[in-house]
Amino acid sequence: DVKVTQSSRYLVKRTGEKVFLECVQDMDHENMFWYRQDPGLGLRLIYFSYDVKMKEKGDIPEGYSVSREKKERFSLILESASTNQTSMYLCASSLRQKVNNEQFFGPGTRLTVL
Amino acid sequence: AQSVTQPDIHITVSEGASLELRCNYSYGATPYLFWYVQSPGQGLQLLLKYFSGDTLVQGIKGFEAEFKRSQSSFNLRKPSVHWSDAAEYFCAGTNYGGATNKLIFGTGTLLAVQP
Repeated sequence: DVKVTQSSRYLVKRTGEKVFLECVQDMDHENMFWYRQDPGLGLRLIYFSYDVKMKEKGDIPEGYSVSREKKERFSLILESASTNQTSMYLCASSLRQKVNNEQFFGPGTRLTVL
Repeated sequence: AQSVTQPDIHITVSEGASLELRCNYSYGATPYLFWYVQSPGQGLQLLLKYFSGDTLVQGIKGFEAEFKRSQSSFNLRKPSVHWSDAAEYFCAGTNYGGATNKLIFGTGTLLAVQP
């Protein structure tokens, strides 16, 4: 069974802390994605990666960075967490091909920044 | 600009009634279209997808969707709703031939099911 896992389901941090969200996939997918989900806004792409050490900004990269040192792992980093980064964070992965390239999602991490 | 629109924020149906969730897209070329479902506190699960060919697509859990190019729509349907279908539904699209397949999501439709 294909699987995308995220390191935490719930996380509570304080303003100014450095926060790491980890995502691991076991499907040997080239593409990995980080989304942020907020009520009424749907899912918005923060960053994605199409290969190890490669990354591209999505629609809302400000305040975030990412790291992809290994193919199966994609980390989202909040350098200095702020209250407006309280949200649900979803990781996804997909094959890097032109057809049949659906994304598979992890269970999400609900982050609260106090 | 490319976009996916879900006009209905919230829908309530009675158990056993039929369901149609609307999705409209704006793409220059033929898009790849998806419907995902998210149960409370969970990640997204793929219900069905359209890439090409037959415009009526069958998915899991008894769902289907019809691609209508003339209306730029990809509406999700189910003939008889079950209480377990209560969830949030997202329509998404991406460009044909995009290897990095960045998805554009609609804002979601929250489905409530009355007994």
